[in-house]
Amino acid sequence: DAEITQSPRHKITETGRQVTLACHQTWNHNNMFWYRQDLGHGLRLIHYSYGVQDTNKGEVSDGYSVSRSNTEDLPLTLESAASSQTSVYFCASSDPITSPGEQYFGPGTRLTVT
Amino acid sequence: QQQVKQSPQSLIVQKGGISIINCAYENTAFDYFPWYQQFPGKGPALLIAIRPDVSEKKEGRFTISFNKSAKQFSLHIMDSQPGDSATYFCAASTYNQGGKLIFGQGTELSVKP
Repeated sequence: DAEITQSPRHKITETGRQVTLACHQTWNHNNMFWYRQDLGHGLRLIHYSYGVQDTNKGEVSDGYSVSRSNTEDLPLTLESAASSQTSVYFCASSDPITSPGEQYFGPGTRLTVT
Repeated sequence: QQQVKQSPQSLIVQKGGISIINCAYENTAFDYFPWYQQFPGKGPALLIAIRPDVSEKKEGRFTISFNKSAKQFSLHIMDSQPGDSATYFCAASTYNQGGKLIFGQGTELSVKP
């Protein structure tokens, strides 16, 4: 069965360190998204991609970067982790042709920056 | 103009009751309105969605009511069950935006037995 996975599921890091969160999907979806979830803010879009070599900034992109070298993966990098980036991060994907608004989410990565 | 406002933030309902969650949007270009359900420790999952050419969509105990003129839509959960206890997010998007969703703030629903 097709799926979307995230790793690690939990991560503790120190302020100033570079951190990369992995996202891998086997749906063969061109659209991929990264969100952060914080209490009272819902899901906020960090970065998104509509295909290989395409990346776009979302509403809360400062301090984050992504790259898309293949269809399956969209890693999220925190260049210099800050305590404000402590959050739960979700990756999602969707098919731009059949149902672009129907996003399939991964299980999330809980990141703590100390 | 890109915001989607959701209320209430939390909701407690007795088993068998009706749960109602409301959302309002500003951008009239939005043409797809999904609701996502999220259980603790899991990612959100699509529950039900509606397009603005209909005023209501029903799937089992879940119904979306859509009011285009008021720019509001709501989720009704009939005969609420303890297994419905979860966080619910409304969202909105425009088809030509490639499925990029704008989410509401979320509603934590607790159904008491």
